[in-house]
This record gives sequence, structure tokens and C-alpha cells, in this order.
Amino acid sequence: QSVLTQPPSVSGAPGQRVTISCTGSSSNIGASYDVHWYQQIPGTAPKFLIYGNNNRRSGVPERFSGSRSATSASLAITGLQAEDEADYYCQSYDSSLSGVVFGGGTKLTVL
Amino acid sequence: QVQLQESGPGLVKPSETLSLTCTVSAGSIRSSYWSWIRQPPGKGLEWIGYIHYSGTTNYNPSLRSRVTMSVDTSKKQFSLTLKSGTAADTAVYYCARGPEEYNGDPIAFYFDYWGQGTLVTVSS
Repeated sequence: QSVLTQPPSVSGAPGQRVTISCTGSSSNIGASYDVHWYQQIPGTAPKFLIYGNNNRRSGVPERFSGSRSATSASLAITGLQAEDEADYYCQSYDSSLSGVVFGGGTKLTVL
Repeated sequence: QVQLQESGPGLVKPSETLSLTCTVSAGSIRSSYWSWIRQPPGKGLEWIGYIHYSGTTNYNPSLRSRVTMSVDTSKKQFSLTLKSGTAADTAVYYCARGPEEYNGDPIAFYFDYWGQGTLVTVSS
């Protein structure tokens, strides 16, 4: 059971927009700790995408955007492409655990 | 850009100690905290802990009793030992840069550079 909750899977057709939610609590996202996002293609290391809730890492396409409100965060991908098919993880810090926490991951399928 | 490479045995016997080393290249080990993160086969990511070049550490509470991290700045390496291995410790182990630090304190808890990962299997 992950401290941050993500849907196990989402899907969308090429060109569409999808969102991936990340739900936390008052000791992590709700305590104003930033949310960060990673993309992982199976068999490879995670790739750093979004930091500080809504800042794209250099080189990440503008199609990827992040947001945060209250105790949750979201990753949105517009203009879906086949190469976006991957697992996506949210991550934050938790004051109760005094450590880093990850979401359980969401598998994005491009139909 | 910063590059990280994990090294260590791929097979550990149950009850024995898992030991891994991460070598940092094309960057300073004095610029950040450094972390270990693992991923059991088919499962999600689990943060193990992080270490500063000064030796300051912070470990995942669920692993704290079995984990030790160390750093060798002269070799630009940091290491992980996990005692009393069980099958549940079978995973791909990643080293990563982060959190970002300022005056020795962690300030931004993200991981911007990752090693390729190394599979460690705990089995007899």
C-alpha cells in the first residue's frame, strides 16, 4: 500500500489528453511538500519529468504538465504519442515518515 | 552531465548482507545528497535512503534497522549495505542524485539523475 495513491492504469488514443492523479494526505502533499513525476519505460531506469509540482525538466516536451491542489496532484499529457506509453510515478516527502514517498505507479497505454 | 553506475553482486544468499556501490562521474559528489531506490520485479519504486557527502544519512523507517549507507568522496562513490537479506529484498536497485541540498540541508526532494539499475536476487 503506497502512501501516495495513483490509478493502476489509464489509456488514451493518439492525439488525446490523459491525466494521472496522485492522492496524498495532510502529511505529504497537503503539508505543501512538492510533487515530482517520473516516466519509466519497462526495463529502463525512471526518467525525471516534472519537479516542484509543475516545472518541466529541461528537454521534456511541453505536452507534459503538472499541477497540485490540496492533498492531490496530477500529471497531464496532451497530444498523446505512442512513445508516451510507459509507467508514471509521482513522488513527494512525508513529514510523518520523515522520508521520501512514491505513488504505486500508473501504466499508460496508448491505444 | 552527471552519470551514475551501480556495481555489486547480483546474487545474495538469504540471511546474508547485500552490498552495492554507486560511482559518480562527470559531476561532483559534493554537490548534493545521494540516494538508493529499489524496485521489486513487477512492482513500484521504494525509497531506501539518502546520504550527504558529509556522512549525514536518512533511511526509510521500514528498512532502518537493516540499512547502512556510506560515502567515499575521494573515489566519488557511495555505498549501500542491507543486512539479513530475504526474498523480499529481491529487486532492481537504483542509485540516484537527490535530494538537492543547501548548506548541508536537503531542500528539494527529487531525483534528477539515475543509474541504470542492477538486479539483486536473494536466493539460495
